[in-house]
Amino acid sequence: EVQLVESGGDLIQPGGSLRLSCSASGVIVSSNYMSWVRQAPGKGLEWVSILYSGGTIYYADSVKGRFTISRDNAKNTLFLQMDDLRAEDTAVYYCARDRIYGGNSGALDIWGQGTKVTVSS
Amino acid sequence: IQMTQSPSSLSASVGDRVTVSCRASQSIFTYLNWYQQKPGKAPKLLIYAASSLQSGVPSRFSGSGSGTEFTLTISSLQPEDFATYYCQQSYIMWTFGQGTKVEIK
Repeated sequence: EVQLVESGGDLIQPGGSLRLSCSASGVIVSSNYMSWVRQAPGKGLEWVSILYSGGTIYYADSVKGRFTISRDNAKNTLFLQMDDLRAEDTAVYYCARDRIYGGNSGALDIWGQGTKVTVSS
Repeated sequence: IQMTQSPSSLSASVGDRVTVSCRASQSIFTYLNWYQQKPGKAPKLLIYAASSLQSGVPSRFSGSGSGTEFTLTISSLQPEDFATYYCQQSYIMWTFGQGTKVEIK
């Protein structure tokens, strides 16, 4: 069964750090383009970061310099290291597989269930 | 690239034909995807590359458009279709529209 399972969400104080994990089964993280997408309470979807199979990385401007995406090929797991957290980072964080259909463009066809991050004092 | 959906919400009845529009701030050719999200659940891919139906998605869902104007159509609304729909461009980086909530009339 193809499955992505996120973990690591928590209540954290502003300025703190958190590392999210996305454990994959039925899909090889290192062979795919993998993204993080977040959704603030009552709001829409916001793309956060992507890691290409070849290692290229992109970040949304809102998290650049504070968040780091990475993967552990042996554990087939995707990570999101989040530093200097702010109240506006409060959201449910989803990992997703980006299935490529043209160039480097694709669609997010496999999603995890999400993990909740709350940044508050 | 900014993505603008319209309307932000709509009320419709079972059996209605429903259309949701998505406009890009510049041409994205056909690098446009549509997702459905129900409360408390992860989004689900419906349409990719503007008009290709994702495997397992009912044929009442269809997508059209290219360049800057795109449309998601539900030909006959079913009870399980009441949800929020998002468009997303993947031409330059990745951007979602603000969502369209489809509610029961």
